[in-house]
Amino acid sequence: GENVEQHPSTLSVQEGDSAVIKCTYSDSASNYFPWYKQELGKRPQLIIDIRSNVGEKKDQRIAVTLNKTAKHFSLHITETQPEDSAVYFCAASTGGGGNKLTFGTGTQLKVEL
Amino acid sequence: SAVISQKPSRDICQRGTSLTIQCQVDSQVTMMFWYRQQPGQSLTLIATANQGSEATYESGFVIDKFPISRPNLTFSTLTVSNLSPEDSSIYLCSVGVGGGNQPQHFGDGTRLSIL
Repeated sequence: GENVEQHPSTLSVQEGDSAVIKCTYSDSASNYFPWYKQELGKRPQLIIDIRSNVGEKKDQRIAVTLNKTAKHFSLHITETQPEDSAVYFCAASTGGGGNKLTFGTGTQLKVEL
Repeated sequence: SAVISQKPSRDICQRGTSLTIQCQVDSQVTMMFWYRQQPGQSLTLIATANQGSEATYESGFVIDKFPISRPNLTFSTLTVSNLSPEDSSIYLCSVGVGGGNQPQHFGDGTRLSIL
């Protein structure tokens, strides 16, 4: 089955700096890659996703890039703010968003003032 | 996105008992998913609940321990049976509204603690 690795496990940045989180996947049939943000005690919330027919997607300060050949995808957050502090999870699926997700291990992002 | 209501939000249970968690969606969905999130860990899929058929369980999860019902297109339950301390986790349901190409959204989760 699918295996998703995520790095780093923790990331500390200064406010205003950029943060990058990287994930690799094993199943070449995976075609949908969402990113979730989970604040302490709350549900995972979808922040951005990308499908395999697209190489990059942006939404304001957040962007995701996908390299299908290398089977890796990354989350980029620019101009980080304290409210960006949370755990971020990448995931992969072979059937679009309606199919089961395999999650990475998570990255604890801390944005320091 | 869909409104997903999950209850209870938390519970404390005795060893050997069972807890049933409910997940209600405000629109019809084909597939509902149940995940487990152990303390400080990532999310692991327990099973996929399809309306009108048996749930599909992931490796390491069995029906006797995690029986699932899916009586209609807006509702599902997950029961965690014969509780032990290792079952202390957050259990989350998720749905993908609109079919196979739509993003998944999660309920608020059920925080389960075992005495």
